[in-house]
This record gives sequence, C-alpha cells and structure tokens, in this order.
Amino acid sequence: DTGVSQDPRHKITKRGQNVTFRCDPISEHNRLYWYRQTLGQGPEFLTYFQNEAQLEKSRLLSDRFSAERPKGSFSTLEIQRTEQGDSAMYLCASSREPDEQYFGPGTRLTVT
Amino acid sequence: DQQVKQNSPSLSVQEGRISILNCDYTNSMFDYFLWYKKYPAEGPTFLISISSIKDKNEDGRFTVFLNKSAKHLSLHIVPSQPGDSAVYFCAASFQGAQKLVFGQGTRLTINP
Repeated sequence: DTGVSQDPRHKITKRGQNVTFRCDPISEHNRLYWYRQTLGQGPEFLTYFQNEAQLEKSRLLSDRFSAERPKGSFSTLEIQRTEQGDSAMYLCASSREPDEQYFGPGTRLTVT
Repeated sequence: DQQVKQNSPSLSVQEGRISILNCDYTNSMFDYFLWYKKYPAEGPTFLISISSIKDKNEDGRFTVFLNKSAKHLSLHIVPSQPGDSAVYFCAASFQGAQKLVFGQGTRLTINP
C-alpha cells in the first residue's frame, strides 16, 4: 500500500495527558498537511510542511499543539495537556502539487 | 466565518438517477475547487477538481460545474450507484495558499 498511513487509528486518553500521532506520507510527496475534523464538520486546516520546514500554522493550533517533520519524511503531531475539546479526528494529507491532497485514514482521539 | 458552505446535510437518490451535490463559497480569491468522498472510518478520497479558468470538468460518471459569478459549484453523478453512498465534501483553495478550506459535507444515500 503506497497511500498515506497514520498511527494509531484510535487513541483514548485522560484529560491532561500528552498524546502523539504519526503520519507517513506518500513517499514522493514533499508537502504534508494536518487537519482536524469534528462531528458534522469538514476537515479544518492545522499546519503545513514543505519538506522539513513548517511553513504555515492555523490559529487553531494552540501552544499545546506541536508538529514536526524531521528529515522531511514522516511527521508527528503532539498534543500536550489534552482537553475534552481536543476530541476529534486528526487527518494527515500529503501532496506533490499544492492542490490535490491525499488523505490518510485519520487518528480518532477521545479525551475522557 | 464559513467560507465554503454545503447547505444540504443529506441527499437521497434512487439508483440509476442523477445525484446533484451543491456547494457555495464566499471568498472570490478561491481559484481551485475539489470534491472529496468519505466513507466511515476512512480519510477523504479525492474525486475530481476544477480550476477557476474552466466551468466544467468531467471524469467518467462525475462532472463538476463551476459558476464563478454565483460563487457556486456542483457535482453531478450519473448514473448513481449504491457504492456512491458516502459523505461528499467540497473544498477550495487559492494560489499561494497551501490549505484546503472544506464545506461541512453532504451525506449521499443511493437507494436501490
């Protein structure tokens, strides 16, 4: 399978704990994106990498969120001190061109 | 501010008939539009796109129409098949921006 992969698929955590998600993009794609989707809404942009450089961050990405893409390959998204409002589906996408983004299956986070 | 809107949360169509999904946008800077299809527990899958220099793009059973003056686009699926049952998202972007802005989605159900 050469698509975008994400790990884990599901994560249940207690409020206040830290969580980290991983995304492996399609190998020849240099652009990588993180989105968040809540129930009944479309995906909302969080952040964007071109190679290893984080070039854009949404105001949705509070100080508790940090994303990295070391060596321009896989990416991690960490949420510190999770809150119940962080419960959502976290989607990763990659692309070679700016517009046609290919999404992974997502990580569903539940904060109890 | 919802810049991309899908005003119909759901749509039910008989198998073999045409499905028409609608999307409106408010930002006149958007110049590229996409439709994604999403099954439960999967990430969005790219379906078809259109640049603002065109008013129609066709790919098999799927056709996207763009009316720039009305800031409106639509996706036509003909003939509709049971496997088309999914949530459909329209998305928009503009040159120089990396993020996609999504609508809320429309749940399409194809009835046999």
